[in-house]
Amino acid sequence: EAGVAQSPRYKIIEKRQSVAFWCNPISGHATLYWYQQILGQGPKLLIQFQNNGVVDDSQLPKDRFSAERLKGVDSTLKIQPAKLEDSAVYLCASSQGGLAGGPGELFFGEGSRLTVL
Amino acid sequence: AQKITQTQPGMFVQEKEAVTLDCTYDTSDPSYGLFWYKQPSSGEMIFLIYQGSYDQQNATEGRYSLNFQKARKSANLVISASQLGDSAMYFCAMRRFSSGSARQLTFGSGTQLTVLP
Repeated sequence: EAGVAQSPRYKIIEKRQSVAFWCNPISGHATLYWYQQILGQGPKLLIQFQNNGVVDDSQLPKDRFSAERLKGVDSTLKIQPAKLEDSAVYLCASSQGGLAGGPGELFFGEGSRLTVL
Repeated sequence: AQKITQTQPGMFVQEKEAVTLDCTYDTSDPSYGLFWYKQPSSGEMIFLIYQGSYDQQNATEGRYSLNFQKARKSANLVISASQLGDSAMYFCAMRRFSSGSARQLTFGSGTQLTVLP
């Protein structure tokens, strides 16, 4: 079974530039998450999708971050314009259970490491 | 609101010895799950073990066991017979399952474990 795929693995940009990250979840997983992990900290949820609908985006800085999950499969996370404090690893995760499902652990991708100069 | 607290930023253990990583949590939800993830320097998040709030017995997975004390709201991870490959960051996380909850994982700040030869 293929895991969660993310690209690019690494990205270096200057502040005020834009960047996009792509995630392909495990086949059949209805729920997709984007987490931001700043160096030395635990991951923080940015946005959660159930199929192609947003379940929770309360911690997404909507003035600069956007995310979409067209057709309920792949997802893209965009940052525009980037700030220095956006330097982090962006982790995508997926899980099988929907909101009415069982515990079902999250499966994570390898992450996309962003450096903003 | 839910909160996960890991009070040990770093831990050292001698190879072949056991080590306990602490985790306390705070939630008013009666139905929840507790997870432990390992994050090596490569960055991937690896699921280790899960404990449901209604599970009567402590979870075990190979060398990993979870010391679940519900009244104290603690879910400590015990690693027996430590190996050099266990050196990594360890995250405790919680997921609520009550009706209406979004069911995302909330992570603690992590504990960096170093296994000494």
